[in-house]
Amino acid sequence: DVKVTQSSRYLVKRTGEKVFLECVQDMDHENMFWYRQDPGLGLRLIYFSYDVKMKEKGDIPEGYSVSREKKERFSLILESASTNQTSMYLCASSGRRGNYGYTFGSGTRLTVV
Amino acid sequence: AQSVSQHNHHVILSEAASLELGCNYSYGGTVNLFWYVQYPGQHLQLLLKYFSGDPLVKGIKGFEAEFIKSKFSFNLRKPSVQWSDTAEYFCAVNAAGNTGKLIFGQGTTLQVKP
Repeated sequence: DVKVTQSSRYLVKRTGEKVFLECVQDMDHENMFWYRQDPGLGLRLIYFSYDVKMKEKGDIPEGYSVSREKKERFSLILESASTNQTSMYLCASSGRRGNYGYTFGSGTRLTVV
Repeated sequence: AQSVSQHNHHVILSEAASLELGCNYSYGGTVNLFWYVQYPGQHLQLLLKYFSGDPLVKGIKGFEAEFIKSKFSFNLRKPSVQWSDTAEYFCAVNAAGNTGKLIFGQGTTLQVKP
């Protein structure tokens, strides 16, 4: 069964901490994505990557950065966590043009206190 | 820039009622269209997708959607809902031939009363 695995299901961090959210896929997909999900706002794209070491900003990149050193792993970094970054974070992957669909991880619920 | 709009934010229906959830997108080129569902406490699952061909697409669990190109719409329908359809529904669009970036609507929460 193909999978997108997010390292943590729940995470609690303090304001100002540097936070790493990890995502690994086993489908040899070119594209990987980070979204945040908030009630009433749907899923908003933070960053995506279409190849190793390549990244593009999504709709809400402020306060975040990403790293993709290997094809299967895509990390989201909160440089200095703030309370307004409390949210559900979803990772996804797809083939080059997304024509064959997208696979989502189970999500990481991050609480910043 | 692409955007997706779902008109209904919260829908409440009784079992056996018919369902239609609206979705409109803004993009002038060829698109791939998706509906995802998220049941309480679970991850996103694909309900159905449209890439090309017959604009009436059938998905899992009795859902279907119709792509109307002239209206930039991809509405989700089900003739008779069940209590187990209670979930959040997301419409999403990817510009075909592009990098594969997938853009979501705001979501519609469906509550089905038994």
